[in-house]
Amino acid sequence: QTVVTQEPSFSVSPGGTITLTCGLTSGSVSTSHYPTWYQQTPGQTPRTLIYRTNTRSSGVPDRFSGSILGNKAALTITGAQADDESDYYCVLYVGSGVVIFGGGTKLTVL
Amino acid sequence: QVQLVQSGAEVKKPGASVKVSCKASGYTFTAYYMHWVRQAPGQGLEWMGLINPNSGGTIYAQKFQGWVTMTRDTSISTVYMELSRLKSDDTAVYYCARAYDYGDNFDSWGQGTLVTVSS
Repeated sequence: QTVVTQEPSFSVSPGGTITLTCGLTSGSVSTSHYPTWYQQTPGQTPRTLIYRTNTRSSGVPDRFSGSILGNKAALTITGAQADDESDYYCVLYVGSGVVIFGGGTKLTVL
Repeated sequence: QVQLVQSGAEVKKPGASVKVSCKASGYTFTAYYMHWVRQAPGQGLEWMGLINPNSGGTIYAQKFQGWVTMTRDTSISTVYMELSRLKSDDTAVYYCARAYDYGDNFDSWGQGTLVTVSS
């Protein structure tokens, strides 16, 4: 069974840069998996940050960027701010309409 | 504006079924797939499946096959998700979310419906 992997937690200092990754137990992630990144704060519905690997959703600051790094999808936050402290979820399309969420990364800014 | 409005919170006993609705407005209902995603308390997001509101065709995550049923009523722009044989670990917030095509992001979400399974 295919699993989407993410770091369970990460911390970054204000103003720092961090890269979260999203992998597949069954192989490499490519643009054909249409990697999507969501941000969720407690009690809120998820918000799209990045879709189709590297396209920022409307209104998302340009300090958020998406890419493929090696065999994983990546979300980079450049110049982290306090209100970036959230849970981040990666979603990959694995074909035939099926998508799989990663387990999420809890980001702490301190 | 696009709105997805879900039915209210439910409390169910183990073994029962629950049916959650999601009413869409502000766009052409049949033009977007509708997905269902759930989130147990303190846990991550889990994709359950999707329905094509145009054809009624469904695709379910392997885990939920035989256990979840997604339907739609185009006359009232509403999709439904029914989960049967509920267990306590089905306690979760259930979201509907739309996407234009396979692999597209969920660009609008319902507000979520808390389903509590407890004896």
